[in-house]
Amino acid sequence: AQSVTQPDIHITVSEGASLELRCNYSYGATPYLFWYVQSPGQGLQLLLKYFSGDTLVQGIKGFEAEFKRSQSSFNLRKPSVHWSDAAEYFCAVVDLSGSARQLTFGSGTQLTVLP
Amino acid sequence: GAGVSQTPSNKVTEKGKYVELRCDPISGHTALYWYRQSLGQGPEFLIYFQGTGAADDSGLPNDRFFAVRPEGSVSTLKIQRTERGDSAVYLCASSLTPSGSGTDTQYFGPGTRLTVL
Repeated sequence: AQSVTQPDIHITVSEGASLELRCNYSYGATPYLFWYVQSPGQGLQLLLKYFSGDTLVQGIKGFEAEFKRSQSSFNLRKPSVHWSDAAEYFCAVVDLSGSARQLTFGSGTQLTVLP
Repeated sequence: GAGVSQTPSNKVTEKGKYVELRCDPISGHTALYWYRQSLGQGPEFLIYFQGTGAADDSGLPNDRFFAVRPEGSVSTLKIQRTERGDSAVYLCASSLTPSGSGTDTQYFGPGTRLTVL
């Protein structure tokens, strides 16, 4: 079965600094990968997704992610973090083994942004 | 347009009671999912509807959990004889088309926080 690992439970960065959130997946075939952000009291919002093609994917809010098959990774990056980026970030992969195509999520990375 | 809505936003109940959680998907979305998110964890899949039928309920933890979608739109997640371990945020998501390819974006509601005392 597929799985997603987010090694960092909590990351703290200063506003204006660059950010990289790590995501590793375990899946036999080409994975369909997603990054979602969750702010308090709000639903999960899709930042970006990768299905095929260019391995560098651009998303909303200035985020990007790079798919690296050799490392089984799909790390999320942002060159300059804003205070409003403080939230919890989830990496997910689509389970293609059944008909539901449900998402399998990592356990999340909580981002704190210092002024 | 309107997103996925869920009611109530918070529900506190006592152990052993019955609860219903409601999800109103985005209009026109045929696929609907329920997930459960425990504290400090990512969401975990519970059940998937394609139209009115539960196409995949493999994520339901036991037979105390049941969900319906009688008219192919609004869905209700029902939990009988609640236990303290059922305390979590229950998330609903919808997507536009039958997700045969797996590429359809799932749009999430804000969730219902269930607390079982």
